[in-house]
Formats: sequence, structure tokens, C-alpha cells
Amino acid sequence: TQLLEQSPQFLSIQEGENLTVYCNSSSVFSSLQWYRQEPGEGPVLLVTVVTGGEVKKLKRLTFQFGDARKDSSLHITAAQPGDTGLYLCAGEVKGGGADGLTFGKGTHLIIQP
Amino acid sequence: DVKVTQSSRYLVKRTGEKVFLECVQDMDHENMFWYRQDPGLGLRLIYFSYDVKMKEKGDIPEGYSVSREKKERFSLILESASTNQTSMYLCASSPIIGQMNTEAFFGQGTRLTVV
Repeated sequence: TQLLEQSPQFLSIQEGENLTVYCNSSSVFSSLQWYRQEPGEGPVLLVTVVTGGEVKKLKRLTFQFGDARKDSSLHITAAQPGDTGLYLCAGEVKGGGADGLTFGKGTHLIIQP
Repeated sequence: DVKVTQSSRYLVKRTGEKVFLECVQDMDHENMFWYRQDPGLGLRLIYFSYDVKMKEKGDIPEGYSVSREKKERFSLILESASTNQTSMYLCASSPIIGQMNTEAFFGQGTRLTVV
């Protein structure tokens, strides 16, 4: 059973368009993180959200954590080719200790010039 | 800058060989993790360690073992490599602040091919 469902799996859009990708679960997370991974590299953290309803902005990227802490979204405004990559959400279901992050399968995003 | 270094970017091994994947982090992090990443399956946790000589099974530990003799080093061992272990292997480390996991810092990955 996949704890974190990401959608869409693949998204290819033109430069300048807006997009939203989703991360959903039936489980409650104590925190949720978004990573971006480029080909041949490891994932790099973009943001961590902790509080239900929290919204964080990182330039053209807006991250939202659901009120019930079961889902999250990433919205990109005016997408650029440099935004191309694999976007992964990851959550910590159990509180405390090193249980390891659970990752979604990711959204492959391609921004065409 | 936190650095997580994996010993090899690319590795080709034969079926039945014993394979060691090494990972070193330089930020004194308590937690270290090994994941494998496969198309359509995402990142799956193999093993993690929260302290020296401590290890916990992740979601897919079968066919793997780990060793953490020093805080900065976490090794993944394939006792007898098989073709279904061909994958991208990613090592990560993270500190614990309070009782919360924080950001995971990843190495660049090792692409292992078993022939």
C-alpha cells in the first residue's frame, strides 16, 4: 500500500503556464516535505510543512499543507524550464525517533521552452 | 554545506558477487538511511540507522544488510547480488532535533547494474 499518492505522475507544459501537483494520503503526518530531484542526482529538499493549513512560498513555488495534515499541494506560477525535474513528497507518519521518511512515487515535470 | 558522499556513481557487478555500497556524511547526523529508487516504484527504504551499531529494517530489507561502525559511515551490503537488485541506490542522513526527523540530505546516488 502506497502511503503517499502523488498526482499527476507526469506533466508536460509550456513555459509560463501555471501548474499544481498533489500529494494525498489517508494517514496523518507530523510533517511533510517536498523534494526536487534532477536526473543523476539525489533529491534536494525544497520545503518542510508542519502545521495544518500552513502555506509556504519559495519564489514562484507555493506549498500548502492540508488542514487535517493528510495532504499537500505544490503550485508553480509561470513555470520555467529550470523547474523541470522529479518532485517528491515525503512524510513522517509516526512521531518521534528515526522511522525514516515515506516517499511518494513523484511527479515528473517537464517545462518546455 | 552538508555533504553526503557515496563511494561510487556507477557500479557493474556479476550475479552472486558480494557488493558493498559505502556512504559517508560530514555533519554528525544521527540518522542515516539507504533507499533504492526504481521507475514506477519511487523511493523505497531498505534500512536505516539512528545510532552507531543500531539498525532498523525498512520496507524492503530482504537481500540486504547494513553496517554502521562509525557515526559518519553507513554501508549497504548485498550478500549475493541478483539481477533484481539492479537499481539506483540513494543514501541519506538527517539530524534529529527534539523528537522530530528533519531534512534528509541525499548523496548523489549509485547506479548499480547486476549482470
